[in-house]
Amino acid sequence: DAGVTQSPTHLIKTRGQQVTLRCSPKSGHDTVSWYQQALGQGPQFIFQYYEEEERQRGNFPDRFSGHQFPNYSSELNVNALLLGDSALYLCASSLEGGAVEKLFFGSGTQLSVL
Amino acid sequence: GESVGLHLPTLSVQEGDNSIINCAYSNSASDYFIWYKQESGKGPQFIIDIRSNMDKRQGQRVTVLLNKTVKHLSLQIAATQPGDSAVYFCAERPGRGSTLGRLYFGRGTQLTVWP
Repeated sequence: DAGVTQSPTHLIKTRGQQVTLRCSPKSGHDTVSWYQQALGQGPQFIFQYYEEEERQRGNFPDRFSGHQFPNYSSELNVNALLLGDSALYLCASSLEGGAVEKLFFGSGTQLSVL
Repeated sequence: GESVGLHLPTLSVQEGDNSIINCAYSNSASDYFIWYKQESGKGPQFIIDIRSNMDKRQGQRVTVLLNKTVKHLSLQIAATQPGDSAVYFCAERPGRGSTLGRLYFGRGTQLTVWP
């Protein structure tokens, strides 16, 4: 049973560029949430996707956007990259209405903006 | 979660001792709490959870205590092992109507276990 998988594991970009990060949820899960984790900080909620729609959004600018596909996988897109976007980007999956309330995280994509 | 500071709180314990990691949460309406363990280069890993209608919950070698009066969580790890070395985060779900995916995390505590 595969857990949450993310790609790529590491990425280096320059300011102003655009980036796309990918996530496949844990088998059987239908909801995907994205988090940003700066060095030495706890993860911060970016947004959540369910039924291919953005359901909730944290305090992030419109440069951050996402998508969920019919197979529940998801992408996070960041436009016009800033140095401050350098962070570990985590994807987490869960089951809507699931009896077991656990959020499963992937290992993340380490994004460095130069 | 923990108020933001400049440095990650740290806790150093000897192998075999018990560890207690504390967390102050911010929202009195939060109804669900989770402790996560994050090892270097990995994503957070679920340890144990507790609902707001409980004061204590035990797992294998871990116990979570919830004090809603002072908005405080603690994670107790019995007979701490070197493999327990990691950053530990508490996370809260901000009340009814909020989905599981939206959690608020504290800054974390770095636990180091010495042989």
